[in-house]
Amino acid sequence: GEEVAQTPKHLVRGEGQKAKLYCAPIKGHSYVFWYQQVLKNEFKFLISFQNENVFDETGMPKERFSAKCLPNSPCSLEIQATKLEDSAVYFCASSQSQGALNTEAFFGQGTRLTVV
Amino acid sequence: GNSVTQMEGPVTLSEEAFLTINCTYTATGYPSLFWYVQYPGEGLQLLLKATKADDKGSNKGFEATYRKETTSFHLEKGSVQVSDSAVYFCALSPLQGAQKLVFGQGTRLTINP
Repeated sequence: GEEVAQTPKHLVRGEGQKAKLYCAPIKGHSYVFWYQQVLKNEFKFLISFQNENVFDETGMPKERFSAKCLPNSPCSLEIQATKLEDSAVYFCASSQSQGALNTEAFFGQGTRLTVV
Repeated sequence: GNSVTQMEGPVTLSEEAFLTINCTYTATGYPSLFWYVQYPGEGLQLLLKATKADDKGSNKGFEATYRKETTSFHLEKGSVQVSDSAVYFCALSPLQGAQKLVFGQGTRLTINP
């Protein structure tokens, strides 16, 4: 598609429940990124993929967060046993690397996760 | 390490006022620099970018110049409109491949008619 599509738009989970978020990158883009935006606007990088391979996972909380980008499927970000502090807007972005040049990252509309 | 520091907000201006939002960065090597804008309830949109020293990015009346000597990328607009009200994020991305964006903390801009 021509835009990064994130679903669902809103997600409410009780503490301890699982949350799964989806992202379809722009067709032809090789890189996918997940960011977490918390209340004070701060963007925290979580993980990136180059096609289906993890490229950089330095921002991922190891214990409860996992992510995948499988061929012919939307990418996903899963949070096991959600906590109140996981409440945030999760943004997915995709980009098309062109060797040494940085290309624009296109962002989706985000999924607002509320843990109650 | 890489980091971005931008002007604390919120910033409130009257329509047609001059806008400056300061942004400075720390980076190894020669990063690309970006300004993103987030309108209420929406995702991030790229506003402008610059990929090397002395480049000027511009879009929709906004401008920013990549200043390597002062490690800055300040955002300016000569005459703001109510529709410019949004949160503005300065960001950098290291050279060589698709790297994660490092964002500043965001500056909320409100323009009053």
